[in-house]
Amino acid sequence: DVKVTQSSRYLVKRTGEKVFLECVQDMDHENMFWYRQDPGLGLRLIYFSYDVKMKEKGDIPEGYSVSREKKERFSLILESASTNQTSMYLCASSLPAYEQYFGPGTRLTVT
Amino acid sequence: GESVGLHLPTLSVQEGDNSIINCAYSNSASDYFIWYKQESGKGPQFIIDIRSNMDKRQGQRVTVLLNKTVKHLSLQIAATQPGDSAVYFCAENKAGNQFYFGTGTSLTVIP
Repeated sequence: DVKVTQSSRYLVKRTGEKVFLECVQDMDHENMFWYRQDPGLGLRLIYFSYDVKMKEKGDIPEGYSVSREKKERFSLILESASTNQTSMYLCASSLPAYEQYFGPGTRLTVT
Repeated sequence: GESVGLHLPTLSVQEGDNSIINCAYSNSASDYFIWYKQESGKGPQFIIDIRSNMDKRQGQRVTVLLNKTVKHLSLQIAATQPGDSAVYFCAENKAGNQFYFGTGTSLTVIP
C-alpha cells in the first residue's frame, strides 16, 4: 500500500512564526503536491514538484515556499504565518498522470 | 484555473439504495478523471478512475460514467452502506501533472 505521512495532524502557531509541514511518501513517486482545503473551496494547489529540487507554483503559492531535497520528502514552509493561512493542509504523491495518494492532513491554526 | 463542479452539495440516501453523485467539468481537453472519498478528519481516498478513451468503468460496488459530449462525470454506488457516508469529489487532469478538484458532495446514508 502506498503510504503518505505528514509530520503533524494538528498544529497551532502564532502569527509571524515560521512553520514547517513535512510530508514523506514511501512509493518512489516522482510527483508530490501540497494542497490546502477550506470549506466551500475544495482543494487548492499550492505547489507541486515533479522531481528532486524541482518545483512548480500551483494556484495559490503566495505566502508559501517548498523544498524537495530528497525524492521521498516534500516540505511546505510558511515563512511568516498569518491567520488567513489557518486551514487543512494535504500532501499527495503520484506517478506522472496517475492517481494521487493523499496523506491524513495537517490542521493548522494560526492565532 | 479549471472549473470542476458538482450538481448537488448534499445527498441523503437510504441504506441499501443506490447513490448517484454527479460532476461537471469544463475543460474538454481533460483526459483523466478520478473520484475520491473523504471521511471526516481523513485525507481523500482514491475510489476509481477513468480515462477519456472509456465511457464506463466498474469497480467493487462503484461505477464511473463519463459523458464527454456534455462534459459530465458520475459516480454510482450500489447498495449504499453507512460506511459510504463521506464527502465525494471528482478531479480532472489534462495530460499533465496537475489535477483540478471539485468542491465535493456530502453523502449521508440513512440506516
